[in-house]
Amino acid sequence: EVQLVESGGAFVQPGGSLRLSCAASGLTVSSNWLHWVRQVPGKGLVWVSRINSDGSHTNYADFAEGRFTASRDNTKNTLYLQMDSLRVEDTAVYYCARDRVLGSGSCDSWGQGTPVTVAS
Amino acid sequence: QSALTQPPSASGSPGQSVTVSCAGTSSDVGRYNYVSWFQQHPGKAPKLLIYEVNKRPSGVPDRFSGSKSGQTASLTVSGLQAEDEADYYCSSYTDSTHNTVVFGGGTRLTVL
Repeated sequence: EVQLVESGGAFVQPGGSLRLSCAASGLTVSSNWLHWVRQVPGKGLVWVSRINSDGSHTNYADFAEGRFTASRDNTKNTLYLQMDSLRVEDTAVYYCARDRVLGSGSCDSWGQGTPVTVAS
Repeated sequence: QSALTQPPSASGSPGQSVTVSCAGTSSDVGRYNYVSWFQQHPGKAPKLLIYEVNKRPSGVPDRFSGSKSGQTASLTVSGLQAEDEADYYCSSYTDSTHNTVVFGGGTRLTVL
């Protein structure tokens, strides 16, 4: 059974940094395209980032470009999202998800999400 | 970064069929057959219902079906059941600037 477990969400002040983790079991991160998606409670899903199967290629939403960095540690079978220069509007629940079709957004496995709150 | 356009709400009675639309552009829905649909119940993670416009992952009932015409995709839920009451989101691959995936704003489906 595929399982994704996010962690690392916390309360942080504007301008601060956080690193989110997404530990995978039942799948090998090095063989899958993976995404980060966020959701403000009560609002819609927003795509954040994706990383390809060998970790050589990443894409980011406009709001994340230059501030967020997706990476993976194949030895730990874990995906990461380094978030720097955080803004109040980055407050959301962050999900990691596995894509079944080459990074197209066909995400068939999701974690439970980890909450990030950016406030002073 | 523009979201795909979905109606904010839809409703139907048990046993009826409901269709939710997802309007995109020539950079996403209109160009690629990488349209997905997700169901999300309150407090839960999204669940993939449809991918590549009309394919169902194993375990998803055939009451859920997807289609596409031009720049608009659609999700049809047939034989509505009480447990279908949830939020539904479409997504598409896009070649617009950096972004590779775009979501719709979501549709709250109410079973009357």
